[in-house]
Amino acid sequence: QKEVEQNSGPLSVPEGAIASLNCTYSDRGSQSFFWYRQYSGKSPELIMSIYSNGDKEDGRFTAQLNKASQYVSLLIRDSQPSDSATYLCAVRGGGTNAGKSTFGDGTTLTVKP
Amino acid sequence: DAGITQSPRHKVTETGTPVTLRCHQTENHRYMYWYRQDPGHGLRLIHYSYGVKDTDKGEVSDGYSVSRSKTEDFLLTLESATSSQTSVYFCATYNDRAPTDTQYFGPGTRLTVL
Repeated sequence: QKEVEQNSGPLSVPEGAIASLNCTYSDRGSQSFFWYRQYSGKSPELIMSIYSNGDKEDGRFTAQLNKASQYVSLLIRDSQPSDSATYLCAVRGGGTNAGKSTFGDGTTLTVKP
Repeated sequence: DAGITQSPRHKVTETGTPVTLRCHQTENHRYMYWYRQDPGHGLRLIHYSYGVKDTDKGEVSDGYSVSRSKTEDFLLTLESATSSQTSVYFCATYNDRAPTDTQYFGPGTRLTVL
């Protein structure tokens, strides 16, 4: 079992729709959770971080965390063609693993005009 | 952008040759990382450093070594390059003393081993 698993893509949604990206993780000691966006040929950039159970909203993006289910998701409302990218879920451990992040394989999102 | 540069940005080399990739940061972050990214895969950690001369292995460290003699520089060496090491390599930094819990990435190095 991979430490961080993301729903397999690619995911295609029409412009204006909600895109839902999901991620599960295996280490119950994980403390920090991140979503990165990566455009083709570019480096990843952080778009959301979440640390406690519940929802965290930032503009059109909402991250949701459920530690009991070991599940983190990203919702993108009113999707735009500029949101077309690969989204990487990352999980950082606690204690001695606090400096290391494990990444999922990514979900490629295409938003069609 | 945390002032991370990588050199070279592109390199083509032959099997069996040694290769060194350099990562340089200007923000004085304690942690530095080397990842590789292959099609269909996310970022896989090769090695990381939590201070000068303090390094540890990641999940795909075989065939790679690293060195960090100064806070700002983190070198990744392929002692004898193989075709399986053809990949895009990203350097990243993390400031564990900052209120923002962000990992910053360099622009990447595309390495082709023929």
